[in-house]
Amino acid sequence: GDSVTQMEGPVTLSEEAFLTINCTYTATGYPSLFWYVQYPGEGLQLLLKATKADDKGSNKGFEATYRKETTSFHLEKGSVQVSDSAVYFCALVMNSGYSTLTFGKGTMLLVS
Amino acid sequence: SQTIHQWPATLVQPVGSPLSLECTVEGTSNPNLYWYRQAAGRGLQLLFYSVGIGQISSEVPQNLSASRPQDRQFILSSKKLLLSDSGFYLCAWSAEEAGELFFGEGSRLTVL
Repeated sequence: GDSVTQMEGPVTLSEEAFLTINCTYTATGYPSLFWYVQYPGEGLQLLLKATKADDKGSNKGFEATYRKETTSFHLEKGSVQVSDSAVYFCALVMNSGYSTLTFGKGTMLLVS
Repeated sequence: SQTIHQWPATLVQPVGSPLSLECTVEGTSNPNLYWYRQAAGRGLQLLFYSVGIGQISSEVPQNLSASRPQDRQFILSSKKLLLSDSGFYLCAWSAEEAGELFFGEGSRLTVL
């Protein structure tokens, strides 16, 4: 079945450091890809998305590029802030027919 | 604009007691609705989803049930809670097949 693999956390960074959170996926077709963020004690918020190969999603200084050749959707930010501390989830959904989102296990980011 | 609300935000219940968590969506019609559970330190587990009134699909056989009595209302229930039912429960909706999810604020359930 479809699956998403994220790097295990926590990822601990100093303020203004460069961030990369790796995400790779396995799917039988061509999914749409998402990054969600969960701040402590809250629900998930959509951070960015990409619906086809080579698309780049971006929001709030974060970006991720849909790489079909490497089946990856790595999340990056050039300069993290303390307020970016949260859990980040990578997810996919197949574009054909009805399907539900498949989430990775989440990666906690701690910025100090 | 569309909004999603779930309640109660926190709940502490004894083992064997019943449960009812409610979720409502405003500003849209015929949404797809979902219940997820997030156990401490773990990822998201899809429990139920619904594509219409009275239509419930269960992803994981367990002690819980879901109902959709109205188009924009989704209820998660249990007749007798177990310790293992503790967790953070998230309601979500999407506007279409293979669409992005929008999450509620979450309900934290502690079973003692």
